[in-house]
Amino acid sequence: QLQLQESGPGLVKPSETLSLTCTVSGGSISSSSDYWGWIRQPPGKGLEWIGSIYSSGSTYYNPSLQSRVTISVDTSKNQFSLKLSSVTAADTAVYYCARHRSVGPTGWHLDLWGRGTLVTVSS
Amino acid sequence: DIQMTQSPSTLSASVGDRVTITCRASQSISSWLAWYQQKPGKAPKLLIYKASSLESEVPSRFSGSGSGTEFTLTISSLQPDDFATYYCQQYSTYSPLTFGGGTKVEIK
Repeated sequence: QLQLQESGPGLVKPSETLSLTCTVSGGSISSSSDYWGWIRQPPGKGLEWIGSIYSSGSTYYNPSLQSRVTISVDTSKNQFSLKLSSVTAADTAVYYCARHRSVGPTGWHLDLWGRGTLVTVSS
Repeated sequence: DIQMTQSPSTLSASVGDRVTITCRASQSISSWLAWYQQKPGKAPKLLIYKASSLESEVPSRFSGSGSGTEFTLTISSLQPDDFATYYCQQYSTYSPLTFGGGTKVEIK
């Protein structure tokens, strides 16, 4: 049974870089046509898509965050990672990783999610 | 970006009620719409994809309909486990995916 688990620091200082990793277990990150990506949710608010990556390294980013976001993949470790630079308090959120599944010639629905990890930006 | 608008933002209902949540897209998204259920402190759970396809192991009391710009999620008979927040998400383009603002289903 495929599972995703986020890991990384729960506290990041303003202006620094937020770094998270998602480890996929129970299956290979390279074995299908799926993308893998990140979504965040500020406390008490809605969901915001950050971006996604394929096992080959092909990426899509939300234009609103593109200048600060890098998503990378390590197929040997069955992991993918998020880096968000120059963070502010507005980046405080629960960060989720999720499998992005395609059923057609457009984007993806998100059928498997990690439990999420709260990242607080504060000095 | 395609904007997704859900209504209502909060809904009060009783066990056994039929519940309908609406999601409108700012432009046509064909049938590229998903619905999620989220409970407090938990990750969202996929219920419906491609507007009306029921995800595996999701109870059949959940159904989705619509195409173009207007979509609905219906719970035919609300159960105690269904009190949660529901989100729609469009995926008619690769970037960005966008979500509705959420509909909280509360106990009446």
